[in-house]
Amino acid sequence: GDSVTQMEGPVTLSEEAFLTINCTYTATGYPSLFWYVQYPGEGLQLLLKATKADDKGSNKGFEATYRKETTSFHLEKGSVQVSDSAVYFCALSGSYNTDKLIFGTGTRLQVFP
Amino acid sequence: GAGVSQSPSNKVTEKGKDVELRCDPISGHTALYWYRQRLGQGLEFLIYFQGNSAPDKSGLPSDRFSAERTGESVSTLTIQRTQQEDSAVYLCASTPVPSSYNEQFFGPGTRLTVL
Repeated sequence: GDSVTQMEGPVTLSEEAFLTINCTYTATGYPSLFWYVQYPGEGLQLLLKATKADDKGSNKGFEATYRKETTSFHLEKGSVQVSDSAVYFCALSGSYNTDKLIFGTGTRLQVFP
Repeated sequence: GAGVSQSPSNKVTEKGKDVELRCDPISGHTALYWYRQRLGQGLEFLIYFQGNSAPDKSGLPSDRFSAERTGESVSTLTIQRTQQEDSAVYLCASTPVPSSYNEQFFGPGTRLTVL
């Protein structure tokens, strides 16, 4: 079945460091790919998405490119801030004619000043 | 406008009791989803509603779990004879129409603890 694998955390970085959180997926068909974020004490919210191969999603300085050839959707940010500390979830939707989201296990990011 | 709301925010119950969890989606959203997140794990899909019907119940883990939706609005997830492994955060999400392209809007969740 469809699945999402993302790197385990926690990822610990200093402010202004470069961030990469790896995400790979297994799916038939043409899924849409998402990154959701959960800030401390807040609900899950969409960070960015890409709906077809080679699309790049971007928001708040974060980027991810839909790579069909490597079945990946890695999240990157050039310079992280303390306020980026959160749990990040990679997810896919749209395989097998269902719109449910299939999530990875989440990666906790901790950014220190 | 208001976002997705869920109640209660926390529920502690004893093993064997029944519990009901409520979700109020964003007004006008026809698609509604239930997920659960057990400690240290990702979110697992439970059930999907389109209007008042549930075309995908494939994620419900056992027949102790059921859900309904009325008036194309409020949804209730019921867990009968709760077990300790049911302890998790139960999340509800809605979207205007069902589409794999659309963002799902999540509620704050209900944290269920089964003693």
